[in-house]
Amino acid sequence: AQSVTQPDIHITVSEGASLELRCNYSYGATPYLFWYVQSPGQGLQLLLKYFSGDTLVQGIKGFEAEFKRSQSSFNLRKPSVHWSDAAEYFCAVGDNNAGNMLTFGGGTRLMVKP
Amino acid sequence: GAGVSQTPSNKVTEKGKYVELRCDPISGHTALYWYRQSLGQGPEFLIYFQGTGAADDSGLPNDRFFAVRPEGSVSTLKIQRTERGDSAVYLCASSGTSYNNEQFFGPGTRLTVL
Repeated sequence: AQSVTQPDIHITVSEGASLELRCNYSYGATPYLFWYVQSPGQGLQLLLKYFSGDTLVQGIKGFEAEFKRSQSSFNLRKPSVHWSDAAEYFCAVGDNNAGNMLTFGGGTRLMVKP
Repeated sequence: GAGVSQTPSNKVTEKGKYVELRCDPISGHTALYWYRQSLGQGPEFLIYFQGTGAADDSGLPNDRFFAVRPEGSVSTLKIQRTERGDSAVYLCASSGTSYNNEQFFGPGTRLTVL
């Protein structure tokens, strides 16, 4: 069965600092990988996705993620964090043999210090 | 166009009661998913529809949970004999097809069972 681990439950960074959120997955074949962001009272919004091809994926709001098959990782990065980035971030893997239903990690709550 | 909508946004019920949660997907989207998000956790898959049929209901926790999508558009998640452990945010998502497509999430229904 597929699974996703986000080792960091909470992360605090200063505004303007760089950010990396970790994600490790377990999946038998080539995975479909996603990062979603959830702000308080808001629905999940897709930041970026990886299906195939270039392992460095660019997303919205200045985010990027790199797929590393050897490490089973799909870490999310941003070079300079803005206060509005404070939210909960979820990594997910899609089961391409089962209608692409998503398995989510437990999430990382990002706080941004002024 | 309109996104995925869910009603009600909040539902408070008493233990043992029956509840229905509604999802209106994006027009034309053939795939529809239900997830459940408990406090402090990532969403967990419940059931997936392709058109009118439930293609995968392996995530439904027990037979108190049932979902329908009779005309291939609106879906209703039904919970019988609610228990306090059913309290969670129930998320609905839709996509154009089930493969290689982004899932668009609704804002969720917060269910509280007293």
